[in-house]
Order: sequence, then structure tokens, then C-alpha cells
Amino acid sequence: AQKITQTQPGMFVQEKEAVTLDCTYDTSDPSYGLFWYKQPSSGEMIFLIYQGSYDQQNATEGRYSLNFQKARKSANLVISASQLGDSAMYFCAMRVGNTPLVFGKGTRLSVIA
Amino acid sequence: KAGVTQTPRYLIKTRGQQVTLSCSPISGHRSVSWYQQTPGQGLQFLFEYFSETQRNKGNFPGRFSGRQFSNSRSEMNVSTLELGDSALYLCASTDPGTGATISTDTQYFGPGTRLTVL
Repeated sequence: AQKITQTQPGMFVQEKEAVTLDCTYDTSDPSYGLFWYKQPSSGEMIFLIYQGSYDQQNATEGRYSLNFQKARKSANLVISASQLGDSAMYFCAMRVGNTPLVFGKGTRLSVIA
Repeated sequence: KAGVTQTPRYLIKTRGQQVTLSCSPISGHRSVSWYQQTPGQGLQFLFEYFSETQRNKGNFPGRFSGRQFSNSRSEMNVSTLELGDSALYLCASTDPGTGATISTDTQYFGPGTRLTVL
């Protein structure tokens, strides 16, 4: 069975600094996709970034980058130059083949001015 | 393109009633998934539909059901509501492409329906 672990329930970061949110995953399947989503207090899940298991390079999307370490089974999200609007819950998720998307428990990020 | 829309956004029901939630996917997306989110259990998968067929089903009782229409719109129904059904219900759509493998397909979520059962 697939599993996602996010060990940081909450984190604080100063505005304009970078922050890393941890995510480890567990699967024996060689083909999988890893996703990060942001959920503001409004509730909507906003897609941030995707990394495929066969991708050679780490994914980047604007201020978001994914630090993919396949051997360690980790897919940490790095947010550069944090903004107040980045305060939200962040979820790491994985999908293997045609099985459902599996989410971690999330990390609540608070950006301090 | 317009995003995923869900109606209603908020709903208050009493125990024993039934409820139907609606989800309209992004235009061209043929797959719809439903999730339940609660503070205690986190995000839990309910079901997934592709071309009007249920492709995956989560571990929920039979009171939870869903369907997908030919225009890809989806509905989920919860009968005999219980207090524990109070949650945010999220719908997501994706375009599975060839449908051969979907682990790479990004799911785009709607704003959710917040259901309160009294």
C-alpha cells in the first residue's frame, strides 16, 4: 500500500525567507507521480507542482521547487522568498498507476511579517 | 478555461436526511474524483469516475454513492446522514489522456462543499 508521511504539523517562516516542507513516501512500484497542493483557509486545494518518478530533474514552478531524492524516497517542497499569502496548509500526495491519489496529513505553514 | 465548480458551497442538514452534491469538471476533463476531508481523518478518497464508470472506490459505507453523467458532471449522494458525515467534500477533475496510466495526471480541485450535519 502507498503511504505519504509529512512529519511537520506546523512551521513558521519569516517573510522573504525560503522554507522546506518535508515529505517522504512509500511504494514498491517504480512508476508513480508526486504532487504538492496548497489549501488556504477557504478550503480549495490548489495544485502547485508535480514530479514523476522517472523525471531526471527536480521540478520547478515559479517560487516552488521539488527536491526529489528517489533513493531516500523523499519529495520535499521548497518555497523561495516566502510571502504572507503563502500561509496555508500544504499537502504532499502520491499516485501509483490507476490507484487513488493518497495524501499526507499536511503541514500548516505560517509566514510572519 | 473555467475551473472545477461544486454546488452547493455550504449545506446544513439534520441526521437521517439525505444530500446530493454536484461537481462540474474542467471542460474536456473526463475523470472526476471525490474526497472527504475532516480534521480527524484528513483527506480520504471516496470514489473516482471515468466515462460514466466507477474506476475506484474508497472504504466508505454504502450510504455514500456517486455517479457520472455523459457530460462528465458528477454527483455524490449520502443517505441517512450521520453527525460524522460533517466534512468538506472535495471534487477533483483530470484528463486521463489515453487512460493507460494515470499516475502522472494532475487532479484539479473545486472549492468544495462544506456539509454540516446537526
